[in-house]
Amino acid sequence: DIVMTQSPDSLAVSLGERATINCKSSQSVLYSSNNKNYLAWYQQRPGQPPKLLIYWASTRESGVPDRFSGSGSGTDFTLTISSLQAADVAVYYCQQYHTVPFTFGPGTKVDIK
Amino acid sequence: QVQLQESGPGLVKPSETLSLTCTVSGGSISSYYWSWVRQPPGKGLEWIGYVHYSGNTNYNPSLKSRVTISLDTSKNQFSLRLRSVTAADTAVYFCARGSIFGVILGPFDIWGQGTVLSVSS
Repeated sequence: DIVMTQSPDSLAVSLGERATINCKSSQSVLYSSNNKNYLAWYQQRPGQPPKLLIYWASTRESGVPDRFSGSGSGTDFTLTISSLQAADVAVYYCQQYHTVPFTFGPGTKVDIK
Repeated sequence: QVQLQESGPGLVKPSETLSLTCTVSGGSISSYYWSWVRQPPGKGLEWIGYVHYSGNTNYNPSLKSRVTISLDTSKNQFSLRLRSVTAADTAVYFCARGSIFGVILGPFDIWGQGTVLSVSS
């Protein structure tokens, strides 16, 4: 299985400030044949299902605010919230869909400082 | 827009079989692939398996011996059966739609609200 790890476990950021979450995969999730990273980011607010934010490591899902951005390739990835809003308080998960079994990171909790 | 809704018993006894159904509304189930994901209380997400619109299935090896996922296109539903449940299967169970790009399986772009399943005698 591809093991996903995330750092930090949690972070608290002031409103309007930048939040950065890291995700690492135990094997590359880059397919050389199409040069795509099979890596997604989800947001899960309390009591809600996960919501897809980013796929192919850096493509924003339709309707997702542009303060959310994804970067990285191979085994190292980053989700950045450029200007934290109150609505962004949530747990964020990375997920690889390169290889079955699809696996998620353990999550990073984002709070307001 | 497409919506997913899980339904199930809420409580199952140890050693019994769990059956959950996900009803897809606002779109056809005869495209995309359809997954189940679970989340134990206070923990992270675990992918259980999927059924492709073609009928092909793929399961998490950690659960493969106990899981069956099937499609009912006539009802626009897909289902999860999990045999021989234990307390470790207590979780919120989500159904989710998997996006498809040509022949490439993509991420889960639509999720149900989730259904709570407890395993207890």
